[in-house]
Amino acid sequence: IAGITQAPTSQILAAGRRMTLRCTQDMRHNAMYWYRQDLGLGLRLIHYSNTAGTTGKGEVPDGYSVSRANTDDFPLTLASAVPSQTSVYFCASARDPGDGYTFGSGTRLTVV
Amino acid sequence: GESVGLHLPTLSVQEGDNSIINCAYSNSASDYFIWYKQESGKGPQFIIDIRSNMDKRQGQRVTVLLNKTVKHLSLQIAATQPGDSAVYFCAENNAGNMLTFGGGTRLMVKP
Repeated sequence: IAGITQAPTSQILAAGRRMTLRCTQDMRHNAMYWYRQDLGLGLRLIHYSNTAGTTGKGEVPDGYSVSRANTDDFPLTLASAVPSQTSVYFCASARDPGDGYTFGSGTRLTVV
Repeated sequence: GESVGLHLPTLSVQEGDNSIINCAYSNSASDYFIWYKQESGKGPQFIIDIRSNMDKRQGQRVTVLLNKTVKHLSLQIAATQPGDSAVYFCAENNAGNMLTFGGGTRLMVKP
């Protein structure tokens, strides 16, 4: 079934640890995005990639990094997790930048 | 799961009634609009979209209306069912590389 897969589904992480959230899509979409969703704050864009090999910063990029080595994968890395990064993280993809997004099912991350 | 805000505007409707969810968008240059549905513990799911050269588009039990004059978008759900209970987001594209999302409205369907 074509779609977008995120892993892990949930994670409890000690502060200061490094963590990579995985995102893979098999729709050959050019654009991919990472959002975080917090109570009362809606969806906030962390990083994006308009096409393989390029990335850009969103609204809340600090503390996060991404890479886009190929079309399918768009991992999000927390270099040294802090409690304020506790959130639900959604990966999304679009056929082209600005098209409608397909979202993954999310990763619930708790940093303690 | 608590994947969305606790202080969202809430619309409560009786099962079988029609629902209307409203959204005011910010940019008069926006040319593409989408409604998403997010159920508790899940990712947002595409419902219906509309381009700025249209003012109405219908899907299965859903209709989106676009009023560019007042920058207003609405989602109408006919014969609302318990499975429609969710948070609904509007999103706009102002000819950029990504969508801008609204804060969301929680729809609660009473049996």
